[in-house]
Amino acid sequence: GNSVTQMEGPVTLSEEAFLTINCTYTATGYPSLFWYVQYPGEGLQLLLKATKADDKGSNKGFEATYRKETTSFHLEKGSVQVSDSAVYFCALSTFSGGYNKLIFGAGTRLAVHP
Amino acid sequence: DTEVTQTPKHLVMGMTNKKSLKCEQHMGHRAMYWYKQKAKKPPELMFVYSYEKLSINESVPSRFSPECPNSSLLNLHLHALQPEDSALYLCASSPGLQTSTDTQYFGPGTRLTVL
Repeated sequence: GNSVTQMEGPVTLSEEAFLTINCTYTATGYPSLFWYVQYPGEGLQLLLKATKADDKGSNKGFEATYRKETTSFHLEKGSVQVSDSAVYFCALSTFSGGYNKLIFGAGTRLAVHP
Repeated sequence: DTEVTQTPKHLVMGMTNKKSLKCEQHMGHRAMYWYKQKAKKPPELMFVYSYEKLSINESVPSRFSPECPNSSLLNLHLHALQPEDSALYLCASSPGLQTSTDTQYFGPGTRLTVL
């Protein structure tokens, strides 16, 4: 079946450190891939997406590349800020059972300290 | 504008109460969703509406009753809930249901506490 696996958190970094959050997926067909971010006490916000192999999604200094050969969509940022502290969800979207289903990973909590 | 709004932000209710959660979007999206999110977990899909008709019910107990009065509004009626139903309830919308490339846009959620 379709699934998403994320690295377990929490990830704790100092401000200006490099961030990588690993995400791998299992899917039939041609899924789209997403990263959502959830700040404390809020809903999910779309961070970036990629809809086909080798696409790179980017937003607010974050980027991720859709790697079909390794079934991965790792999230990276060159220099994190305290304001990036949040939970990050990797997700895939696949047309299944007659509708567009979004499948989430477990989420990775990021804590950035000054 | 990619905004989905939800009211109320917080709700506390007893097990015998009847209450409703509201969701609204003005992006012209034809698909709307209800999710339930427990602490430190990803969202779990509850219901999907497409063109104002219920398309998917993920085996949700009947004490949760969704309603889509028009293409912009989605309600979730609550009755006789249990304390384990306490969670963050998220609404989302997407342009349609027919392609995996569509993005789901989420609202800020309603934090529900059942006493």
